[in-house]
Amino acid sequence: DQQVKQNSPSLSVQEGRISILNCDYTNSMFDYFLWYKKYPAEGPTFLISISSIKDKNEDGRFTVFLNKSAKHLSLHIVPSQPGDSAVYFCAAIGTASKLTFGTGTRLQVTL
Amino acid sequence: EAQVTQNPRYLITVTGKKLTVTCSQNMNHEYMSWYRQDPGLGLRQIYYSMNVEVTDKGDVPEGYKVSRKEKRNFPLILESPSPNQTSLYFCASSLTGRRTTDTQYFGPGTRLTVL
Repeated sequence: DQQVKQNSPSLSVQEGRISILNCDYTNSMFDYFLWYKKYPAEGPTFLISISSIKDKNEDGRFTVFLNKSAKHLSLHIVPSQPGDSAVYFCAAIGTASKLTFGTGTRLQVTL
Repeated sequence: EAQVTQNPRYLITVTGKKLTVTCSQNMNHEYMSWYRQDPGLGLRQIYYSMNVEVTDKGDVPEGYKVSRKEKRNFPLILESPSPNQTSLYFCASSLTGRRTTDTQYFGPGTRLTVL
C-alpha cells in the first residue's frame, strides 16, 4: 500500500520555465513533508521541507505547497535550469525519523 | 567533509553467499538507517538505529541483519542473499532521529546484484 504517491514518473520542461512536481499522500498522521533530489550514482540529497502547520515554504527557486485537505503537495521550480535535471522524491514523516518515500519523478530540463 | 560512506559501491554475488555492506558517518549522528530502492517502489526502510546497541525493523527487514556497536558504523548483513534482494541500497544518518525536522543525509548507494 503506497502511502505516498508520485503519479508522474517523468516530466520534461524547457529551461527557464516552471517545473511542477506533484505528490499525494493517504496517511493523515503525516505532519512533515520533504523533497529530496537524486542525481545518478549519488544518494538523495535534501532539498526543501514543509511542516503541516504551513501551506507554503520557499527557498530560492524552490517552493513547496501543501494542501492538507486534499492531502497533496507540490514542488515548484522557477526558473528551471539544466542542472535541475534529476529524480525528485517526495517523502513524509508521521513519527520521528521514519521517512516514507514516494516513487520518484524524473525531471528533464531541456535547453 | 561531513559525509556518509558506503562500501562496496557495486557488488555482484551468488545466492547464499553471505555479504556485508558497510556504512560509516563522520557527523556524530545518533540515528542511522538502511533503505532499498526498487523501480516503481521508491525507497523503503529496512532497519534503523536510534543509537549504539539500539536497532529496530523498518518496513522490509526480512533477509537482513544489522548491528550498531559503534556510533559511526551501521553495517547491513545479508546472511543468505537471494535474487529478490537485488537492489540499490542507501544508508542514511541524522542527528537524533527523534525530531521530524532532523534532516537525513544519505550515502552514495550500493548496487547489489544477486545471481
